[in-house]
Amino acid sequence: DTGVSQDPRHKITKRGQNVTFRCDPISEHNRLYWYRQTLGQGPEFLTYFQNEAQLEKSRLLSDRFSAERPKGSFSTLEIQRTEQGDSAMYLCASSFFLTGPKDTQYFGPGTRLTVL
Amino acid sequence: QQQVKQSPQSLIVQKGGIPIINCAYENTAFDYFPWYQQFPGKGPALLIAIRPDVSEKKEGRFTISFNKSAKQFSLHIMDSQPGDSATYFCAAAWALNDYKLSFGAGTTVTVRA
Repeated sequence: DTGVSQDPRHKITKRGQNVTFRCDPISEHNRLYWYRQTLGQGPEFLTYFQNEAQLEKSRLLSDRFSAERPKGSFSTLEIQRTEQGDSAMYLCASSFFLTGPKDTQYFGPGTRLTVL
Repeated sequence: QQQVKQSPQSLIVQKGGIPIINCAYENTAFDYFPWYQQFPGKGPALLIAIRPDVSEKKEGRFTISFNKSAKQFSLHIMDSQPGDSATYFCAAAWALNDYKLSFGAGTTVTVRA
């Protein structure tokens, strides 16, 4: 059973640099969600995809953030010109929206970003 | 604004005790209420979930109580063990919003041996 995987697990970068994170969902899952979690808080929704289509972007997602899911499989989240306020855990979750429990999202281990 | 309010922020119980975590919401469109468990450095793991047509749901030692009229729901951990020490998040979502999860702020539970 390969669950949701994320890479890298940790990323330390300097302010102003660009970073890219990858998420591999559970193989038959067609919905993929990105969330951001800051210390001591619950995750907050950023964006989501159904197959390769990006359906919504939260207001939390500034123009410096872009997400893709090119073939409806893995997804990438890129942050350009990172700021210290971007430091957080970036979580990916997937769900199977065609049949089965549409509501159940399975989370990956997250990517911890630290911007110096 | 935070759509789901969670309390307490933290609690400590002795082994065998019953920690209780409470959540409240305002949006009556919510129709799915999951609880997630998160250990340090890990992603949240789904524990148990409930729909508003049910007032209680049990899975193993975990029980959700749901009060639709009060717009509140709670998690009880029966016979708690030190391995249950973690942060617990309640969340809410609804079908017409594609189940985008709104999370509470989390409760750190410590179970002392």
